[in-house]
Parts: sequence; structure tokens; C-alpha cells
Amino acid sequence: ETGVTQSPTHLIKTRGQQVTLRCSSQSGHNTVSWYQQALGQGPQFIFQYYREEENGRGNFPPRFSGLQFPNYSSELNVNALELDDSALYLCASSSHLGYEQYFGPGTRLTVT
Amino acid sequence: DQQVKQNSPSLSVQEGRISILNCDYTNSMFDYFLWYKKYPAEGPTFLISISSIKDKNEDGRFTVFLNKSAKHLSLHIVPSQPGDSAVYFCAARSPEGTYKYIFGTGTRLKVLA
Repeated sequence: ETGVTQSPTHLIKTRGQQVTLRCSSQSGHNTVSWYQQALGQGPQFIFQYYREEENGRGNFPPRFSGLQFPNYSSELNVNALELDDSALYLCASSSHLGYEQYFGPGTRLTVT
Repeated sequence: DQQVKQNSPSLSVQEGRISILNCDYTNSMFDYFLWYKKYPAEGPTFLISISSIKDKNEDGRFTVFLNKSAKHLSLHIVPSQPGDSAVYFCAARSPEGTYKYIFGTGTRLKVLA
């Protein structure tokens, strides 16, 4: 059984640029959620994807967008990067109605 | 509006003793509560959960208690071990609309040998 993987591990971008983060879900899981974890805070829900469609969204602006692919892997795209976007981005996979989420190790994004 | 709160940023406990981590919430619609453990440079790892219709769930050294009238849950670890030293997050699942999870800010547990 393969766990949740994320790439890249670390990323440094400049304000105004765009970034794409990737996630491969655990085998057998069809739902992927993305979270932003700022320093000293808990993970904040960005959105969730199920069957390649956005299935729920937190309080994040439209410049945060995502995709889910037929193999259930997912991408998080952030446009017009701001300094406050610097954070750890976590991906979690689960079965559609399951309450247990399995997290990847995260991508550390630094915006300068 | 912080719907899930962990008011203790840190906790130190002697090895072998009980660790009690607390969490308060405001939304009575939450249907599941979960605890996650996080080590540095790793993603959160699921530890234990409890349904809103239960008041206790036990798994080995870990027990979660839910007090719905007080909107409070706690995680008990007994006996505490040095390997338990990590940041613990409380999370609640909101069934309103589509499922989403609200996390607390975490409590850093240090178990002293």
C-alpha cells in the first residue's frame, strides 16, 4: 500500500509568480483535500476534490485552484503569490465518506 | 472565528505519567472528532477518533473523551512515553454542505525521560 506523496518538498517563489504543487493519494482513496499550515497554526482547509470536481472549499480566494485527475492524484495551483502564502501545504487523502484522512509530508512554500 | 480551540500551546509530562490534552469547540453540528500527531518534517498522522454520538473511545494507551454539553474533548495518553513527544492537533468534521475538517492550533507535548 503506497502512502500519500507530495512534490516538491521545498519551493521558493517570488511575489506575483504562480506555483503548482502535486499530490498522489493513497491507493484506494478517491478524495483529496488540501490544507495550508502557517507557522504556529493548525492546518486550514483550502478545498476538497472528489471525482475530479471541487467538493467543498474553505475561506481561500479564487487564486487558489485545484485539479484532480482520473487516478485521483491532485494539483494545487496558486496564482499571484503573496508573502502571506508562505506556509506548509498539506495534502490528505481519504475514501469519500471516510473520516480518517491520511496526510502527505507537505510542501514548504516560501514566497519572497 | 476559531471553531476548534486548543488553549494549551505546550505540555510537559514525566515518562510513565498521564498526558491530558484538551480541545474545545463551538459548533454542535460537528459529527466526528479526530486527534492527529505531528512530528517535525512529517505530515499529521491519524491517532484516534470519536463519533459525536459516543462519549469515549479507547485504543491502547490512547483514550478520547467527549463531553457534548460542554463542547469539550480530551485525549488521554497513559502511560506517556518519550516517543509520544510531538505536536497534537484536534480536528472536527463539519457535515454542513460538504465534509470539511477544522483543526485546532495544536499542543506541543514533551514527555520527559
